Amino acid sequence: GQQLNQSPQSMFIQEGEDVSMNCTSSSIFNTWLWYKQEPGEGPVLLIALYKAGELTSNGRLTAQFGITRKDSFLNISASIPSDVGIYFCAGRGNYGQNFVFGPGTRLSVLP
Amino acid sequence: SAVISQKPSRDICQRGTSLTIQCQVDSQVTMMFWYRQQPGQSLTLIATANQGSEATYESGFVIDKFPISRPNLTFSTLTVSNMSPEDSSIYLCSAEVLGPGFYTFGSGTRLTVV
Repeated sequence: GQQLNQSPQSMFIQEGEDVSMNCTSSSIFNTWLWYKQEPGEGPVLLIALYKAGELTSNGRLTAQFGITRKDSFLNISASIPSDVGIYFCAGRGNYGQNFVFGPGTRLSVLP
Repeated sequence: SAVISQKPSRDICQRGTSLTIQCQVDSQVTMMFWYRQQPGQSLTLIATANQGSEATYESGFVIDKFPISRPNLTFSTLTVSNMSPEDSSIYLCSAEVLGPGFYTFGSGTRLTVV
């Protein structure tokens, strides 16, 4: 079945640094979603991408739909302590198919 | 904005018992989804629930263990039956409340089976 890989698995950064993480798929996707999950909470949708090459921002977050349609990237600029959490990517091939979730990237921000 | 509410938020249950988790959406949605998130893991889809029909279960999940109800377009329940410690997980409901492709999640139910 479809699988997603996320890199890095975890990262420790200093407050103020920029963060980059990515998600790769073994098959082509038509929709990519990026979520953040904090302890004790459900995942919160950050950004949705629908078109190859699409670049979308949400505040300090920017995500891109890779042109091969097999990957997506999430960048966080000028990180702050509240960025701490687990970032999940999710993708699906066609509308009506279920989303597949990646294993997550655990982000820690050091003051 | 649309909200998904789950109850209970957490519970500690004895093995062999059952727990029913409720999910309420504040707008009508065609499909609702139930996920399991085991400790330190990603999200795994248990089943998709459409109103008025039987839920569609993913591989590895069966109706006898995880019966689902979907009585109307804003509500669903998931029951975890005959629980064992291996069922200890976070259970999440989800729906495309903001439109196609926008999966919104409830805050989850953290279940511990002792």
